[in-house]
Amino acid sequence: DIQLTQSPSPLSASVGDTVTITCRASQSISTYLNWYQQRPGQAPRLLIYATSSLHSGVPPKFSGSGSGTDFTLTIHSLQPEDFATYYCQQSYDQPRTFGQGTRVDLK
Amino acid sequence: QVQLQESGPRLVKPSETLSLTCTVSGGSITNYYWSWIRQSAGGGLEWIGRVYPSGSTNYNPSLKSRVAMSIDTSKRQFSLRLSSVTAADTAVYYCVRDEVTSANFFDYWGQGNMVTVSS
Repeated sequence: DIQLTQSPSPLSASVGDTVTITCRASQSISTYLNWYQQRPGQAPRLLIYATSSLHSGVPPKFSGSGSGTDFTLTIHSLQPEDFATYYCQQSYDQPRTFGQGTRVDLK
Repeated sequence: QVQLQESGPRLVKPSETLSLTCTVSGGSITNYYWSWIRQSAGGGLEWIGRVYPSGSTNYNPSLKSRVAMSIDTSKRQFSLRLSSVTAADTAVYYCVRDEVTSANFFDYWGQGNMVTVSS
């Protein structure tokens, strides 16, 4: 299975900050990398697919980049609703796997 | 708007079979894969497997010996059966739409069904 390792975890930030979360794959996955946001008590929500494509309805404050084994999710101008847990997920190979999650909490 | 809703028991006894059904409303059921994903109390997300409208399936090898998925497009439902459950199977179970065009991602999720395995 392809392992995904996220860092940092957790990530402490303030309202208005710009933060970057990293996801590293155990082997090259081209650009088959997706990002999800999960708020407490809710199901995960797709933010970005194929490394950098914004899912419908997701504000452009979220952006993704990378290829091969190293990927990043950047969140600009953090707002209270952005304090949540973020997961990366690879769709390069079966079985689909997720990172362990990065909780973004209030500093 | 696509909506998914899980249904099934919240408590299952050890060694028994966990059965969940997902009902899909809105959108097409015939042009997508449909997956089950679970999340343990520690937060980790685990893909269990997926079913296509044709009935073809893909399962996570870690669970393959205990998993069966099926689909009934006329009822707009797909189902999960997980046999010989133990406490390690206690989790929130999500049904999810699995988009498989040029990219592949999970774009619509049910609200989740918390299943506890306990006697």
